Amino acid sequence: DAGITQSPRHKVTETGTPVTLRCHQTENHRYMYWYRQDPGHGLRLIHYSYGVKDTDKGEVSDGYSVSRSKTEDFLLTLESATSSQTSVYFCAITDRPNTEAFFGQGTRLTVV
Amino acid sequence: GENVEQHPSTLSVQEGDSAVIKCTYSDSASNYFPWYKQELGKRPQLIIDIRSNVGEKKDQRIAVTLNKTAKHFSLHITETQPEDSAVYFCAAIINAGNMLTFGGGTRLMVKP
Repeated sequence: DAGITQSPRHKVTETGTPVTLRCHQTENHRYMYWYRQDPGHGLRLIHYSYGVKDTDKGEVSDGYSVSRSKTEDFLLTLESATSSQTSVYFCAITDRPNTEAFFGQGTRLTVV
Repeated sequence: GENVEQHPSTLSVQEGDSAVIKCTYSDSASNYFPWYKQELGKRPQLIIDIRSNVGEKKDQRIAVTLNKTAKHFSLHITETQPEDSAVYFCAAIINAGNMLTFGGGTRLMVKP
């Protein structure tokens, strides 16, 4: 497996609290992506990064922010968690968009 | 996402039969079309991909076809086996080649 890890793997949090998910890679890949996976919706892109400090919005970015201060880490923050953000979150990395993307193990987030 | 549409959402076949999953995309500049398989509780993994300069690619029992004019591509699995049961995702690169965007997924069930 490619060197990509997500933390935490599981989290339960209360509505209105801030939450940060971490994606860490050891592959020195340029591109990093955050997706959420919900039944019936597949994998939806939240934000992505194409380099250090270079990020852009995906299709479901409202309520989320990201930061990438170094190549190996891509952080996803929910400033004020809502129940609609209960989901499984996947990070993915790739050296170039038109090559294989490698996924992390996923983070199951429950907002109560 | 709406940029990549995938059908059907569920597909049930008898072991040994063929399965076909179809995807359409909206960005005519897209030039890379991967397929990922996600087994229950696991992360998505690449099974095959195709680039816009070819119309078909095969790897043992799986094949992908691409029609750039019509902006659709398909995954074909022949001689299906129970271990083929999983969720399959198509994807395409959109937005000037940076965004890896997935279809809604197809849950394939192969009945013994």
